[in-house]
Amino acid sequence: AQSVSQHNHHVILSEAASLELGCNYSYGGTVNLFWYVQYPGQHLQLLLKYFSGDPLVKGIKGFEAEFIKSKFSFNLRKPSVQWSDTAEYFCAVIPSSNTGKLIFGQGTTLQVKP
Amino acid sequence: DGGITQSPKYLFRKEGQNVTLSCEQNLNHDAMYWYRQDPGQGLRLIYYSQIVNDFQKGDIAEGYSVSREKKESFPLTVTSAQKNPTAFYLCASTSPGRQGQPQHFGDGTRLSIL
Repeated sequence: AQSVSQHNHHVILSEAASLELGCNYSYGGTVNLFWYVQYPGQHLQLLLKYFSGDPLVKGIKGFEAEFIKSKFSFNLRKPSVQWSDTAEYFCAVIPSSNTGKLIFGQGTTLQVKP
Repeated sequence: DGGITQSPKYLFRKEGQNVTLSCEQNLNHDAMYWYRQDPGQGLRLIYYSQIVNDFQKGDIAEGYSVSREKKESFPLTVTSAQKNPTAFYLCASTSPGRQGQPQHFGDGTRLSIL
């Protein structure tokens, strides 16, 4: 079955530390890839997306993600986190053949200590 | 401003009772989706609709029903057959004709059992 796996369920970092959240998917064909963020008490927001072209994509708030097709991965990175980055992060995939249905990972809760 | 409105924000259900969650969008999106969010499980697709008067089951449709009589509206009914309805429910929509586009999310409805 198609699935998306996020390796870390709960990450705790100090401010200014570097962040990398892992995401792997199981679908072998063409995919569209997304990272969403959910800040406490807020709705899901798009952080960044990959459709085609440069596999290193930059999103809002200094986040970036790298699509590595051979590894079926789309890891999220940020060089220096801030307390305001405390949130839940979701990786999601749309396989191109499945009519737009998003398949979500389990989510990673990031807690940044001031 | 365009967006997705979910109501109510909090909802309580008695045993054996059906409840309906509202989702309205003014983004002129053709496709709409309902997800259920549980801790540690990410978002799981309940139902989706790509066009008015048509909808398909997602991964966890049992105990739920939907209708799509208008483009703007996609209400979700949680029936008494859903044995574990306590969760956070999210509605989403996406741009017409471009199924790879990211989905826009509402603020969610939190359903609890009395």
